[in-house]
Amino acid sequence: AQSVTQPDIHITVSEGASLELRCNYSYGATPYLFWYVQSPGQGLQLLLKYFSGDTLVQGIKGFEAEFKRSQSSFNLRKPSVHWSDAAEYFCAVGARGAGNMLTFGGGTRLMVKP
Amino acid sequence: DAGVIQSPRHEVTEMGQEVTLRCKPISGHNSLFWYRQTMMRGLELLIYFNNNVPIDDSGMPEDRFSAKMPNASFSTLKIQPSEPRDSAVYFCASSPRTGGGGNTGELFFGEGSRLTVL
Repeated sequence: AQSVTQPDIHITVSEGASLELRCNYSYGATPYLFWYVQSPGQGLQLLLKYFSGDTLVQGIKGFEAEFKRSQSSFNLRKPSVHWSDAAEYFCAVGARGAGNMLTFGGGTRLMVKP
Repeated sequence: DAGVIQSPRHEVTEMGQEVTLRCKPISGHNSLFWYRQTMMRGLELLIYFNNNVPIDDSGMPEDRFSAKMPNASFSTLKIQPSEPRDSAVYFCASSPRTGGGGNTGELFFGEGSRLTVL
């Protein structure tokens, strides 16, 4: 069975600073990988996804993530954080051939200082 | 366009009462998921339907939980009897499949139903 670990429960960055959120997964083959964002009181929204091909994927709101097979990682990055990026971020893994069943990590809550 | 619609948004009930949560998926989506979110356990998949048929209900915690999808535009999650440990936010999500039947990977979430069992 697949699993996802997000080592950082909380991260605080200053507005304008760069951001990297960590995600490590466990899966026996090449997985599908996703990052979702959840604003307070809202459901989750897809930021980006990796299926195959280029290991650096671009998403919405200026986010990108890089799939590194050797490290079983799929870290999320943004070069300059905006106050509106404050939210909770979830990494998820899907097994190929398993429909859209996703396993989510525990989430990282991002706070942005002015 | 209407997204996934869940009701009620908030429910407060007493232990032992029956709770029914409702979900209307996005029109044309043929996969539907129920997730539960708590501080302690994060996001847990409870059950997954494809074309109205339950595919995987291994995440349903106990017999007190049941889910149905009588048609493509409606699903319910029922808890009977409810217990305080069922307090959580319950999310419904729907997903389309590609023309080739592949995995799109994108789940569209509703805003959730916050359940408090006293």
